[in-house]
Amino acid sequence: KQEVTQIPAALSVPEGENLVLNCSFTDSAIYNLQWFRQDPGKGLTSLLLIQSSQREQTSGRLNASLDKSSGRSTLYIAASQPGDSATYLCAQDGNTGKLIFGQGTTLQVKP
Amino acid sequence: DGGITQSPKYLFRKEGQNVTLSCEQNLNHDAMYWYRQDPGQGLRLIYYSQIVNDFQKGDIAEGYSVSREKKESFPLTVTSAQKNPTAFYLCASSTNTGYTEAFFGQGTRLTVV
Repeated sequence: KQEVTQIPAALSVPEGENLVLNCSFTDSAIYNLQWFRQDPGKGLTSLLLIQSSQREQTSGRLNASLDKSSGRSTLYIAASQPGDSATYLCAQDGNTGKLIFGQGTTLQVKP
Repeated sequence: DGGITQSPKYLFRKEGQNVTLSCEQNLNHDAMYWYRQDPGQGLRLIYYSQIVNDFQKGDIAEGYSVSREKKESFPLTVTSAQKNPTAFYLCASSTNTGYTEAFFGQGTRLTVV
C-alpha cells in the first residue's frame, strides 16, 4: 500500500528561522511530488512540483528536494515569516493523477 | 481569472437527504478529482475522471456518486447511503499528460444537521 508520512505533525518557530519539513513515501515508482499549503478552512495552494527526473525546485524562499532512492522529500523555508503559518501537505503521484497525501505539518511562526 | 470554483462554501444536510456539491473549472483540464478531508487526516480520494463521460472510484467511493457530462464540470452527490458525510470536500483538476500539477478549489464544508 502506498503511504506518505509527514514529520513533524506540528512545528512552532520564531520569526526569521530557517526550517525543514519532511515527507517520506513508500512508492519508489513516484512520478511527481507536490507540496501544498493550506490555510484554515481553505483549499490547497500548490507551492512546488518536483518531477521524478528532478532533484529540487525553488520558488522564492521555498526549496523542495526529492530523493527517490531514500523515499524522501524536504521543503526548506528560508527566513520564516508569520505569514508562513499554515498547514503544509506533500502528495505523491504515480502517473495516474491520483495524489496520495500525507497528513500534513502545521507550522506556526511566532513574531 | 482561470481556476476552480466550488459551491456552496457551506452546506447542511438533513438525515436521509441527498446533496450535490458543484465543481467548475476553466483551466481546460481533462482530469478532475474529488477528495474528502477529515480533521487530523490527509485527503482521501473519492472519485476521479480523466475524460468526459468517464469516471472511476477512488478509495472511499461508497455513498457518493458523480457525473462528467462536460469537461468543465464534475459535480459530486453525497447520498443518504453515506453514513458519516460531515467533512471538508475538495475538488481538483489537472492536465492528463504526465508530470501534471494539480490545482484545487476552495472547498465545501458539509455538515449533517
